[in-house]
Amino acid sequence: GESVGLHLPTLSVQEGDNSIINCAYSNSASDYFIWYKQESGKGPQFIIDIRSNMDKRQGQRVTVLLNKTVKHLSLQIAATQPGDSAVYFCAENSGYGGSQGNLIFGKGTKLSVKP
Amino acid sequence: DTGVSQDPRHKITKRGQNVTFRCDPISEHNRLYWYRQTLGQGPEFLTYFQNEAQLEKSRLLSDRFSAERPKGSFSTLEIQRTEQGDSAMYLCASSLVVGTGKEKLFFGSGTQLSVL
Repeated sequence: GESVGLHLPTLSVQEGDNSIINCAYSNSASDYFIWYKQESGKGPQFIIDIRSNMDKRQGQRVTVLLNKTVKHLSLQIAATQPGDSAVYFCAENSGYGGSQGNLIFGKGTKLSVKP
Repeated sequence: DTGVSQDPRHKITKRGQNVTFRCDPISEHNRLYWYRQTLGQGPEFLTYFQNEAQLEKSRLLSDRFSAERPKGSFSTLEIQRTEQGDSAMYLCASSLVVGTGKEKLFFGSGTQLSVL
């Protein structure tokens, strides 16, 4: 079936360390993947996206890796800061028509940054 | 603030009552989405509009739910005869789609509904 899930529900890292948040998906037809950050009391905030024809994309302090062979997505955050503390969601668009905004979200990983 | 605005931020109602939420998207965004998020879960797609036309509905959107976007700008989501299971955060998002480019959603802060 179509599902997006996360390997770890919580992740605690030391300030300045790198963080890696993982996500598995099961729909091989998915062609667009996004990472969102959600702080308490706020809506999800776009971080970075990647299309299925790429395997890596870099942003400012963030990198998304896509491994289509094992249907795995990861978000790497360099030099993690206290402001990075939030819940992180991966989301996919199935590519079965409709809009790109019809997304399937995973359950989320809570990232806690220790000062 | 030119982001997506939702009103109210919180709503407490008794079971069986009707509630209505409003979403003001980013100006000139042509698509508007409603999502629902329960505690500890990711958001779930409910429906979306392209301008004033409602183009897609999730099976999660029961007959008690109705959404409108009459002038292609703000949108309302109404829930009739609320049930305790309707308690959730209702998120609105908007996007500007031009041609076949990537679509980036901007979310509001949501309306937290509690049905007693």
